Amino acid sequence: EPEVTQTPSHQVTQMGQEVILRCVPISNHLYFYWYRQILGQKVEFLVSFYNNEISEKSEIFDDQFSVERPDGSNFTLKIRSTKLEDSAMYFCASLSLAGGREQYFGPGTRLTVT
Amino acid sequence: DQQVKQNSPSLSVQEGRISILNCDYTNSMFDYFLWYKKYPAEGPTFLISISSIKDKNEDGRFTVFLNKSAKHLSLHIVPSQPGDSAVYFCAASARYNNDMRFGAGTRLTVKP
Repeated sequence: EPEVTQTPSHQVTQMGQEVILRCVPISNHLYFYWYRQILGQKVEFLVSFYNNEISEKSEIFDDQFSVERPDGSNFTLKIRSTKLEDSAMYFCASLSLAGGREQYFGPGTRLTVT
Repeated sequence: DQQVKQNSPSLSVQEGRISILNCDYTNSMFDYFLWYKKYPAEGPTFLISISSIKDKNEDGRFTVFLNKSAKHLSLHIVPSQPGDSAVYFCAASARYNNDMRFGAGTRLTVKP
């Protein structure tokens, strides 16, 4: 069964460093998303991406964040200068719309900023 | 952003009994509702969904009920099994953008 994959599973970085989180969505999906979950809190929407551009972004997704689909398979989230409060699980999701509107999630990347 | 609310942080039920998880929403533009199950250190797994044109959707042991006038939905699990123990998130999306908003989650514990 097709699935969303994410790498790395765990990333440790120092404050102020840039990180890139990578995702490979399900191959025939057209909509891509990033969410984050700070430990013990709710899953929060960050950004949606369709047709090679951002469709919507939340107030969390400030100028420090960017997304890119550099080729036909990868979808990346870049944080330019990480802060301690960026420590969280980051989930990628993709959506087909061929059936229902269920988004399928990857296993997540745990980002730890020290 | 409190558009989707799950007011019960936890629920404990006995194996074989019914589990009822509740969710409320405020945004009247939401027209598609989903339940996800999440284990620690894993991504949310889609469980069941319902469109606003329906008031009930059933899939095996899982049934979702939607009450649009009350802006309320619930997930029923019958019979509950220990393997159902997880955090359950309610989510909602609007047709105009398909972006999902999640509730805070309810931790379900099913005791043998």
